[in-house]
Amino acid sequence: DVKVTQSSRYLVKRTGEKVFLECVQDMDHENMFWYRQDPGLGLRLIYFSYDVKMKEKGDIPEGYSVSREKKERFSLILESASTNQTSMYLCASSSRREGETQYFGPGTRLLVL
Amino acid sequence: QQQVKQSPQSLIVQKGGISIINCAYENTAFDYFPWYQQFPGKGPALLIAIRPDVSEKKEGRFTISFNKSAKQFSLHIMDSQPGDSATYFCAASDLGGTSYGKLTFGQGTILTVHP
Repeated sequence: DVKVTQSSRYLVKRTGEKVFLECVQDMDHENMFWYRQDPGLGLRLIYFSYDVKMKEKGDIPEGYSVSREKKERFSLILESASTNQTSMYLCASSSRREGETQYFGPGTRLLVL
Repeated sequence: QQQVKQSPQSLIVQKGGISIINCAYENTAFDYFPWYQQFPGKGPALLIAIRPDVSEKKEGRFTISFNKSAKQFSLHIMDSQPGDSATYFCAASDLGGTSYGKLTFGQGTILTVHP
């Protein structure tokens, strides 16, 4: 079974703090994705990566950056957290070999005060 | 921006009834249309998916209907059960391009099935 784990289920941070969200997958997937989920807005893609050290902007990259130094790990960074970044953050991975299915982690609920 | 519009935002059905969720897309390059199911506290998981070369795909109680000319697709849940209560997302992707499997998601539908 594919397993995607995220470092924290819940996180509370203060405005202006630097925040790191970590995601690890154990299936040697090439593609990894970061989404945020907000009621009524669905899942919106922040950044994705199709290989180590490669990254592409998604639909809402402003205020975020990412890092992929190892194939299994994809980090989302909030350089200076703001209250409008309070959200559920979901990581996903997929394989170029196996096709289209994205496998999601359980999510990190971030509250920025 | 490529969009997928999903409706309704929420849906309440009785046990045994039919649940129907609709999605519409704009980008004619989309060639893969999955539905994801999300239970509270969990990440979304693939439920069923369709390619545009067929108009319908059925897996158990779940059916996708696809209308290429109207650029619409829908999820039908027959004999809905309380265990089907979840949030459902439609999505679309241009797998034929260099999208790296990126998905564009709809806004989500919260389905509640009453016993």
